[in-house]
Amino acid sequence: NAGVTQTPKFQVLKTGQSMTLQCAQDMNHEYMSWYRQDPGMGLRLIHYSVGAGITDQGEVPNGYNVSRSTTEDFPLRLLSAAPSQTSVYFCASSYGRLPMNTEAFFGQGTRLTVV
Amino acid sequence: GENVEQHPSTLSVQEGDSAVIKCTYSDSASNYFPWYKQELGKRPQLIIDIRSNVGEKKDQRIAVTLNKTAKHFSLHITETQPEDSAVYFCAPSNSGTYKYIFGTGTRLKVLA
Repeated sequence: NAGVTQTPKFQVLKTGQSMTLQCAQDMNHEYMSWYRQDPGMGLRLIHYSVGAGITDQGEVPNGYNVSRSTTEDFPLRLLSAAPSQTSVYFCASSYGRLPMNTEAFFGQGTRLTVV
Repeated sequence: GENVEQHPSTLSVQEGDSAVIKCTYSDSASNYFPWYKQELGKRPQLIIDIRSNVGEKKDQRIAVTLNKTAKHFSLHITETQPEDSAVYFCAPSNSGTYKYIFGTGTRLKVLA
């Protein structure tokens, strides 16, 4: 099992550009999520999904879109990049079958810089 | 879940000493209490977790204790080693919600 795979690992964007961060997991996890981590700060939830076709907003959703067409993939789209979106982005997945919450498995992260 | 705070935000200990990090939460329905470790430049990884029907859990040098009445749980690391230096996050959650909210993090430095 590869676990949770994110691409790319590094990205530089110009202000106003759009891009998609890819996330895939091969553990048949129902729950997937995206976090951003700013320097010296914690993990803030952007969007999450409890299964194919179902997504919801987290703590900081503005400026980001997600979709979940398959169980395996959960891409994060930046609509019009801004310098405030410079951050490290982590995708995570877990078994997530209620009523039991379980361990979150993280991807290796994508370091995004917006200039 | 919901409002989650960690204390202290930074902690320096001498190698061999113990370290304790506290996580306070506001959602009284929380019933899953994990701790994650994030080494510099790496991804967060689960190191220990506890559920609300258990008050304490140990795994070698690490332990987690839970006080549901006071709505806090703590990570205990004994005989600290340089490789314990990292940022530690708590992420209490309620099985009725999928919103995994992480604490603000505690940077632990173990001084050799």
